[in-house]
This record gives sequence, C-alpha cells and structure tokens, in this order.
Amino acid sequence: AQKVTQAQTEISVVEKEDVTLDCVYETRDTTYYLFWYKQPPSGELVFLIRRNSFDEQNEISGRYSWNFQKSTSSFNFTITASQVVDSAVYFCAVYSGGGADGLTFGKGTHLIIQP
Amino acid sequence: SQTIHQWPATLVQPVGSPLSLECTVEGTSNPNLYWYRQAAGRGLQLLFYSVGIGQISSEVPQNLSASRPQDRQFILSSKKLLLSDSGFYLCAWIPDSSYNEQFFGPGTRLTVL
Repeated sequence: AQKVTQAQTEISVVEKEDVTLDCVYETRDTTYYLFWYKQPPSGELVFLIRRNSFDEQNEISGRYSWNFQKSTSSFNFTITASQVVDSAVYFCAVYSGGGADGLTFGKGTHLIIQP
Repeated sequence: SQTIHQWPATLVQPVGSPLSLECTVEGTSNPNLYWYRQAAGRGLQLLFYSVGIGQISSEVPQNLSASRPQDRQFILSSKKLLLSDSGFYLCAWIPDSSYNEQFFGPGTRLTVL
C-alpha cells in the first residue's frame, strides 16, 4: 500500500517570499516514482516533476526546486520569490506498482500568494 | 501531439439519474487510461484504470462503472447517482507502463442535487 501525506492544508504568503510545500510518502517498494502536480483554479492538473527512487539529486527549474530525501521519505517542493500566479493547489503523488495502476495522491496544499 | 478531451465540462444531475462522462485521447494508440475523482476539499482518488479495450480495473467499490469501447475512449457511468458522487472527475493517460508523467484532461465538474 502507498500513502502520501501533505500536512499543510493551506499556506498563505506575501509575494516574493520563499515557500516550501512538504510531502512525506510511504511505500514498501524499493522502486517508485514521485510526482508534483499543480492545479490552478481552472482545475486542470499540470505536471511539474517526476523523480524516480534511485535519483536523489535535488532539482532546480527556474524558481522551483525539489528536495528528495529517501532517509526521511520526503519530497519537498520550494518556490523561490513567489508570484501571484503560483497560487494553486499543489499535489504530491507516488507510484510504485509493477503494473498500470494509477498514482496515489496526497490531499494537496492550497498555496495562496498575496500581492 | 497528444491531447485529451473530456465532456461535458460541467454537469448538474438529480439524485437517482444516470450518468455518462466521456474521455477521448488523440495522437496516441494503446494508452493506459484512468478515471480519478476529486471530492471537495480532498485529494484525487483513483477510480478505474484500463490497459486496453474492454479491460477495466476498479480501485474502490462504488456506485460507478467504467467502460472502454474503443482504444482511445474511456467512459464513466452510473445507473443511479448519489449525492456523494458529486465531485471533479479527471481522466488521465500515459503512453505505456513506463510511468513518465500522467497527462490529465480538463475535468468534469459534477453536482448531484
């Protein structure tokens, strides 16, 4: 069984502040994939990143960065110099099945960036 | 390029009425297809997935069913809607089981009254 915990239900920061969204996952498998998705008010899920369990290197993409730590089963997401357009619900997800079953999502973190 | 369509975009239905939501994918063949539901204030829950025509796997027991009559068509149905069926329904696909990112459709917002 898999589980993803996003303990922060809602975060509100002022524009230009840095913000970190936490994600803790559980899986019994040694091979798994971790994802982050963004859901703007329109509702459509936008893929942000995929990381496999054998690649613990942190990744940076513009203002976005991800910190993967297997020792603590965490895959945290940081937005640097936040902007109003970053306001959305962010979901962390894990996949560790050997077949074609779907992702296990956390309950999401609602990020509000105030101007 | 590949695209995924869902319709209708929004739907308001009375309790006890039937349901049919459609999802189609363009620009690919033999995709894995998925139905998720997002209830208000909650995360996404996988409902069904399909690896091929006529092949449906259900993740949770519920009032819903799914069918895949064609390679790139995935339908979510119900004979009698319940209030608890309200939510945001998302269709998704991946090209195969290699698990690159899962692509999501625009979603259908269903309200059962």
